[in-house]
Amino acid sequence: KAGVTQTPRYLIKTRGQQVTLSCSPISGHRSVSWYQQTPGQGLQFLFEYFSETQRNKGNFPGRFSGRQFSNSRSEMNVSTLELGDSALYLCASSLPGTGGEKLFFGSGTQLSVL
Amino acid sequence: GDSVTQMEGPVTLSEEAFLTINCTYTATGYPSLFWYVQYPGEGLQLLLKATKADDKGSNKGFEATYRKETTSFHLEKGSVQVSDSAVYFCALKNGGSQGNLIFGKGTKLSVKP
Repeated sequence: KAGVTQTPRYLIKTRGQQVTLSCSPISGHRSVSWYQQTPGQGLQFLFEYFSETQRNKGNFPGRFSGRQFSNSRSEMNVSTLELGDSALYLCASSLPGTGGEKLFFGSGTQLSVL
Repeated sequence: GDSVTQMEGPVTLSEEAFLTINCTYTATGYPSLFWYVQYPGEGLQLLLKATKADDKGSNKGFEATYRKETTSFHLEKGSVQVSDSAVYFCALKNGGSQGNLIFGKGTKLSVKP
């Protein structure tokens, strides 16, 4: 069974640009969560999608957005990139009925903003 | 708001040594508590969990007990192996199915042969 797949693995952008990251959850998983991981702040919750609806949102500015498609695949978008957005972005999926307690994480997309 | 604090790393141990990684939390209500592990080059994966006070989670020789009186969930292993080298994250979840996982900053463990 394939795991959570995130693409691309690495990205380099410049300030002011926008970026889209993609996440394909494990087959059958309908909930997708996104986290930002940095050395200073650790893992911080961005948002969660379930059945194409945003169910929960963390404390990030509106430049960070996401969506989920009918096949449960998810994308997150960051507009007007800032240097501080450089981070590892992690996607996680979970099975329905597990209360989101057991998350399966992808290996992440490493974003560098220059 | 809810938060998790875990001991700073890195932690370096010799093989077969005893491991303790401290974790304390601040939360309203009765959260579920977790330890996740991130092996080099891999995604985070659930190591163990406990959902109520005095519960003990265990897996792969690791244990942690949910202590409500001290708001702690310390991770222990009696004899570590080189293959246990990884980053360990303590986490909590409040709010039932609507809540999100809140993670500590992680503790890197290196085990030397």
